[in-house]
Amino acid sequence: DTAVSQTPKYLVTQMGNDKSIKCEQNLGHDTMYWYKQDSKKFLKIMFSYNNKELIINETVPNRFSPKSPDKAHLNLHINSLELGDSAVYFCASSQEGDRARETQYFGPGTRLLVL
Amino acid sequence: RKEVEQDPGPFNVPEGATVAFNCTYSNSASQSFFWYRQDCRKEPKLLMSVYSSGNEDGRFTAQLNRASQYISLLIRDSKLSDSATYLCVIRNTGGFKTIFGAGTRLFVKA
Repeated sequence: DTAVSQTPKYLVTQMGNDKSIKCEQNLGHDTMYWYKQDSKKFLKIMFSYNNKELIINETVPNRFSPKSPDKAHLNLHINSLELGDSAVYFCASSQEGDRARETQYFGPGTRLLVL
Repeated sequence: RKEVEQDPGPFNVPEGATVAFNCTYSNSASQSFFWYRQDCRKEPKLLMSVYSSGNEDGRFTAQLNRASQYISLLIRDSKLSDSATYLCVIRNTGGFKTIFGAGTRLFVKA
C-alpha cells in the first residue's frame, strides 16, 4: 500500500509546454505539500494546503498552480515550462496537531526534465 | 544568514565509527525539530524528532540546544546502510512552513 503516490515518476518535455503532476495520499492526512529539489539537492517548499485551503505559497512563479480537489489529492500544474524548472518535485502529507511535531510523509518524487 | 545551515560534508567514516552532525537555525521562535534521511534518488524519510531533553533511538541520539540554536545528531557504531544524506528540519511557530537544511552527506565504508 503506497501512502503517498505521485504520477508520473518521470517527465521529459520541451520548453514552453504545459504539464501536470498528480499526488494522492491514503493516510487520511489534512495537510499536503509540494517541494522542489534542485540539482544542488536543496529541498524547498513551494505550496501547502490544509483541508483543501492554500496556506503556504512561497515565492514561486505564477506559472505554477496547485489545485486540491479534496483532502487526499494535491495536483501541480506548470505552464510554459522553462529549463530552470528541471528538478525533482516531491509531494508530502502530514496530519497537523497543536504541537506541530507532525511527520511529513513524502511521495517518491517526479523527475522533471525540460529540454 | 540562512534559516537552517548544515555542513554539507561529505563525511567519510569506517564501519563502527561514531559520527556527529550539527545544524544551526536562525529563528529563535522555531518550534519543532527533526532529522530526516534521504537515500540517493529517493524521497526523504523521518529519522527522528528532536525533543528538548534530547532523545535516543538505538544507535542514534538527537540533541537540541535552544540557547545556541542548534540541533545535533550522533550516530554510533556506523553501518554501511547508514550511508545517506541527513537533513535537518525546522518548523516555525504558528505555521505549517517546514524548512529543510541542505543536508549532510555521510559515506560509511567497509
